Amino acid sequence: DTGVSQDPRHKITKRGQNVTFRCDPISEHNRLYWYRQTLGQGPEFLTYFQNEAQLEKSRLLSDRFSAERPKGSFSTLEIQRTEQGDSAMYLCASSPRQGADADTQYFGPGTRLTVL
Amino acid sequence: AQSVTQLGSHVSVSEGALVLLRCNYSSSVPPYLFWYVQYPNQGLQLLLKYTTGATLVKGINGFEAEFKKSETSFHLTKPSAHMSDAAEYFCAVSINDYKLSFGAGTTVTVRA
Repeated sequence: DTGVSQDPRHKITKRGQNVTFRCDPISEHNRLYWYRQTLGQGPEFLTYFQNEAQLEKSRLLSDRFSAERPKGSFSTLEIQRTEQGDSAMYLCASSPRQGADADTQYFGPGTRLTVL
Repeated sequence: AQSVTQLGSHVSVSEGALVLLRCNYSSSVPPYLFWYVQYPNQGLQLLLKYTTGATLVKGINGFEAEFKKSETSFHLTKPSAHMSDAAEYFCAVSINDYKLSFGAGTTVTVRA
């Protein structure tokens, strides 16, 4: 069990550029979540996958955001035409579908995005 | 809908003193409650959780929390603070099995 990994850890981009983040969940965790955390705030839910199916999207996830989880393994979060308001830490988490830890989300280290 | 309020954005304690972080929740159905800790530039680490059963739950690093339904609270305590406890702490609530709603967080500093 190597934990949830995210890549890159830091991303600096210019306004209007597209960015893509990757999340690798704990192996055999079939649930994967994305959250956004802005400075001084707690994480806010963005979206959730069970296997490859995206089951819920927050209203925070505008049309410029898209998330995928092909084959139910890793996931990508893409932001198109970035805006300064997109600057935040993007956190990924995973959990198993069943068992004693089914209600527990394990978080990765996050990707910190800065939009200039 | 569910929500969490953490009272006090900053708490300062002396090494060896009691740590008390307050969390109140709002939920229309029985909630699952969690405390996470976040160190600088890192992700969140689970300290403890309440789902069902015993209302006093023990977690890692000597932390514990008590679920009080009548007070809609889930306060986090540690009898004796250590320098390594300096971090940001988040209370979270879930009423389904996939979405966590977090409080704004409490930053703990420990004075030598």
